[in-house]
Amino acid sequence: SSELTQDPAVSVAVGQTVRITCQGDSLRSYYPSWYQQKPGQAPVLVLYGNNNRPSGIPDRFSASRSGDTSSLTITGARAEDEGDYYCNCRDISDDHYVFGTATKVTV
Amino acid sequence: QVQLVQSGTEVKKPGASVKISCKASGYSFSNYYIHWVRQAPGQGLEWMGNIFPTRGRTAYARSFQGRLTMTSDTSTRTAYMELSSLTYDDTAVYYCARDSTFAVAGTGFDFWGQGSLVTVSS
Repeated sequence: SSELTQDPAVSVAVGQTVRITCQGDSLRSYYPSWYQQKPGQAPVLVLYGNNNRPSGIPDRFSASRSGDTSSLTITGARAEDEGDYYCNCRDISDDHYVFGTATKVTV
Repeated sequence: QVQLVQSGTEVKKPGASVKISCKASGYSFSNYYIHWVRQAPGQGLEWMGNIFPTRGRTAYARSFQGRLTMTSDTSTRTAYMELSSLTYDDTAVYYCARDSTFAVAGTGFDFWGQGSLVTVSS
């Protein structure tokens, strides 16, 4: 089955830009979705498809893809953007899904 | 508004089974995939499987094959996840989540239940 690899942790100053990457073979074929999770809370969908944001997600969150790597970018990070971020994508060979290894974002 | 409300905390002994419910409201339950995701203490998210309520069609992650069963009851708008032969490694918070697009899987899990803690302890 597919694997999705993320950097374990990144830090960013308030107002600066940070990019979180997700790497895996399935990303050549499918767009991932991205989730933010804060301690003790359920994950929240922040991006899906070709750079789509659910209602209520600020436009400082954006997504991009190149080859086997997809990225989530936070432009103008805010303190409330701290949390764990996961990518998720369909497996390349079947209708299963897999989560990335998570990136802890510190602002 | 869309809501997924899960059943409460469970404590089970090794070898037992657990069944968690996920009651949906605010949308057409039958026509959206429901996924189940778990998170062990201090660990990442793990996709377990999904179900399409209208047809009862399921897909299970290989790591759970043989001991995972997902069902749904469209009359009560409730999805269920049953995991058998529990071990200590199954201690986790279990979430249900709705796929965001009508009758399509894999477009993003836009609404989540509050999570159900399952503790496996002797």
